[in-house]
Amino acid sequence: DAGVTQSPTHLIKTRGQHVTLRCSPISGHKSVSWYQQVLGQGPQFIFQYYEKEERGRGNFPDRFSARQFPNYSSELNVNALLLGDSALYLCASSPQARYGYTFGSGTRLTVV
Amino acid sequence: AQTVTQSQPEMSVQEAETVTLSCTYDTSESNYYLFWYKQPPSRQMILVIRQEAYKQQNATENRFSVNFQKAAKSFSLKISDSQLGDTAMYFCAHNAGGTSYGKLTFGQGTILTVHP
Repeated sequence: DAGVTQSPTHLIKTRGQHVTLRCSPISGHKSVSWYQQVLGQGPQFIFQYYEKEERGRGNFPDRFSARQFPNYSSELNVNALLLGDSALYLCASSPQARYGYTFGSGTRLTVV
Repeated sequence: AQTVTQSQPEMSVQEAETVTLSCTYDTSESNYYLFWYKQPPSRQMILVIRQEAYKQQNATENRFSVNFQKAAKSFSLKISDSQLGDTAMYFCAHNAGGTSYGKLTFGQGTILTVHP
């Protein structure tokens, strides 16, 4: 079975640009969450979507937005990129909290 | 708000020996879930073990086991018969369940190095 897939794997953008990151959850998983991980730190929660509705949002500015599609895949959008947005962006999916969360391999975003 | 604290930035162990990684957390929830994740240099986040707070029995997965002390809000990970492939960053994580079940709160991580 395919795991959580994320695209692209690496991305280099210029300050002020916009970026879209994509995530496909494991088949049957209706919940998708996004995390930002700066090197050497633990992941920070950005968004959770369940059944196409936003169910949670972390402490991130409005430049960050996301959505979930009818097939449960998801996009994370970041506008007006800053150097500090450089990080590994992780997507995770789960059927229910008790079973834990499966993470994708992440998208490594570098803002120059 | 939930917080997770890992007080050991780095740990090292000899191959085949046992090591314990510490984690404490703070939560106002009565039922919740706790996890240990492993992140090797590839940065792929891998679920090692999970614990449901309402279950008193400590979880075990092969060489990995936890010591869950609910009253003390402590959740340590024991790795037995350490292997070179266990070298990685280990994160403790909490989830409150319910409507916020997609939100994991992570600790700062512990870098574990297994020496031959």
